[in-house]
Amino acid sequence: GAVVSQHPSWVICKSGTSVKIECRSLDFQATTMFWYRQFPKQSLMLMATSNEGSKATYEQGVEKDKFLINHASLTLSTLTVTSAHPEDSSFYICSIPGGSSYNSPLHFGNGTRLTVT
Amino acid sequence: AQSVSQHNHHVILSEAASLELGCNYSYGGTVNLFWYVQYPGQHLQLLLKYFSGDPLVKGIKGFEAEFIKSKFSFNLRKPSVQWSDTAEYFCAAFGNNRLAFGKGNQVVVIP
Repeated sequence: GAVVSQHPSWVICKSGTSVKIECRSLDFQATTMFWYRQFPKQSLMLMATSNEGSKATYEQGVEKDKFLINHASLTLSTLTVTSAHPEDSSFYICSIPGGSSYNSPLHFGNGTRLTVT
Repeated sequence: AQSVSQHNHHVILSEAASLELGCNYSYGGTVNLFWYVQYPGQHLQLLLKYFSGDPLVKGIKGFEAEFIKSKFSFNLRKPSVQWSDTAEYFCAAFGNNRLAFGKGNQVVVIP
């Protein structure tokens, strides 16, 4: 069964609005969650590492004020795309490591298709 | 920075044909390697992984991959594909505390 639940699976919003994407760990407590972004025919690009109870770690080039990450509990991380623009349209995927180390295989959510009009 | 290359983004083949997907990574140190698969409408899931030991790794659904350190490669193979193998396949490499994905291979198996 699913280990990670991501919601919503798709969303269409108007330019300038904010969108919140939820990622829930169903089977175990996740102190770390990863947020990826995927453009068509491109690889998954790590946006940020979400850490429970502390600030997220953002990858170079990712605007932390635009992509707000909150990891308030061991089972929930949220990604909020603030003041969305058409160029933010993409596929966003969350994942959690299947073990305690960073090289553990990942469990992925189903992803969220964001379209900004 | 760590990078992963996958060639031939689109692969179309008939049932019972053999499949090989190439994967090359750039990191020269200790590396852990993964193949993930995403079936239509489903989430990414682990197909197989290599951490150490036997360089020929057996995965689910008849897939295998061979780690060749000298070639920085971790190619995925299946001797005889089925229609249900239609999916997107991603190679990933973990090294120097970083995980990098390839661009993926879209595989379509024609019945």
